[in-house]
Amino acid sequence: AQTVTQSQPEMSVQEAETVTLSCTYDTSESDYYLFWYKQPPSRQMILVIRQEAYKQQNATENRFSVNFQKAAKSFSLKISDSQLGDAAMYFCAYRRGIQGAQKLVFGQGTRLTINP
Amino acid sequence: DAGVTQSPTHLIKTRGQQVTLRCSPKSGHDTVSWYQQALGQGPQFIFQYYEEEERQRGNFPDRFSGHQFPNYSSELNVNALLLGDSALYLCASSFAWTGNTGELFFGEGSRLTVL
Repeated sequence: AQTVTQSQPEMSVQEAETVTLSCTYDTSESDYYLFWYKQPPSRQMILVIRQEAYKQQNATENRFSVNFQKAAKSFSLKISDSQLGDAAMYFCAYRRGIQGAQKLVFGQGTRLTINP
Repeated sequence: DAGVTQSPTHLIKTRGQQVTLRCSPKSGHDTVSWYQQALGQGPQFIFQYYEEEERQRGNFPDRFSGHQFPNYSSELNVNALLLGDSALYLCASSFAWTGNTGELFFGEGSRLTVL
């Protein structure tokens, strides 16, 4: 079974600084996708960034980027120029690459606090 | 374009009762998945519905059941409620066959408290 581990229950960063959230996963499959989701107090899960396992290039979305280390099964999220609106729970998630597979396996989450 | 909508937003039940939660997928989506998120934890996959059938199921007992209607909306039913069923229940929708990463869109959830 696939597992996702986030070892940082809480992180804090000064506004405008950079912070990195860690995630490791375990799978025996070669085709899969990895995601970072943000969950603010409104409770709605919002997709931050995705990474296809077959792509060597790390994904980037504006201030958000990932460091995908496939051999090490590591998938960290870097947030640059942190803003107060980035404060939320962040979840790392895994999905199999099989067409139609919808099950996401989530980590335990990291609570990110932005200090003004 | 309406996103994923869930109802009710909050509800309180007592042990042994039954509950029904509802979800309307994002416009154009045909697949609905349900997740249980206990306080301070990541969401856990309950099951997925496509073409009105349960297609995939997580490690949840038979007390958890669901249904998908022809308009793609879905219900989650939980029977014989236990205190441990207290959680945020999230609904997510997507296209079943996307040929790509198939982004899931989530609703804001239904907060169930069992007393």
